[in-house]
Amino acid sequence: GQNIDQPTEMTATEGAIVQINCTYQTSGFNGLFWYQQHAGEAPTFLSYNVLDGLEEKGRFSSFLSRSKGYSYLLLKELQMKDSASYLCAVSDSNYQLIWGAGTKLIIKP
Amino acid sequence: ETGVTQTPRHLVMGMTNKKSLKCEQHLGHNAMYWYKQSAKKPLELMFVYSLEERVENNSVPSRFSPECPNSSHLFLHLHTLQPEDSALYLCASSQDSGADRVYNEQFFGPGTRLTVL
Repeated sequence: GQNIDQPTEMTATEGAIVQINCTYQTSGFNGLFWYQQHAGEAPTFLSYNVLDGLEEKGRFSSFLSRSKGYSYLLLKELQMKDSASYLCAVSDSNYQLIWGAGTKLIIKP
Repeated sequence: ETGVTQTPRHLVMGMTNKKSLKCEQHLGHNAMYWYKQSAKKPLELMFVYSLEERVENNSVPSRFSPECPNSSHLFLHLHTLQPEDSALYLCASSQDSGADRVYNEQFFGPGTRLTVL
């Protein structure tokens, strides 16, 4: 079966750095997405990785290792507004998105 | 504002009611999706429409009936739902470029919070 694993909840301090991990087992791979979802709001796109390595976009970076079936989202200089759920999703061989359950990130002052 | 709107935002219905959820996208996309999001569970893909034709129906119960009259509008008709159908229903859209597609970022609406009594 297809499976995406990510931690249920993480806590970090304002101004610090946090890394959210995602491991996957899917039938085929056509890229990995990270989305951010604030409570009661729509998920919004953060990043897309299809090749191995690190993609940096401002305070957020996303890393992919296809051989390990592993990705992480790195958030730097955390702000209170970063409190949200972070969803990992993999595009499989049929280009269908397989979603993780999301990681709820709590930022403390 | 993602360019995808959904109405209503909240809906409470009895098990014998009939209601419809509406989604509209203003992005010029050609694919639209319905997802179910339950607490602490992965997003569940329910239906996909590409170029107004249904291309995916992931064994969704017949009490959920989708309708896509054109590439900008998507409906989800609800009939005789069960309490376990209570969830957030999300609509999304993307640009599906067909066989050569590699990257299909999806844009989500804010969702309809459905409660079935």
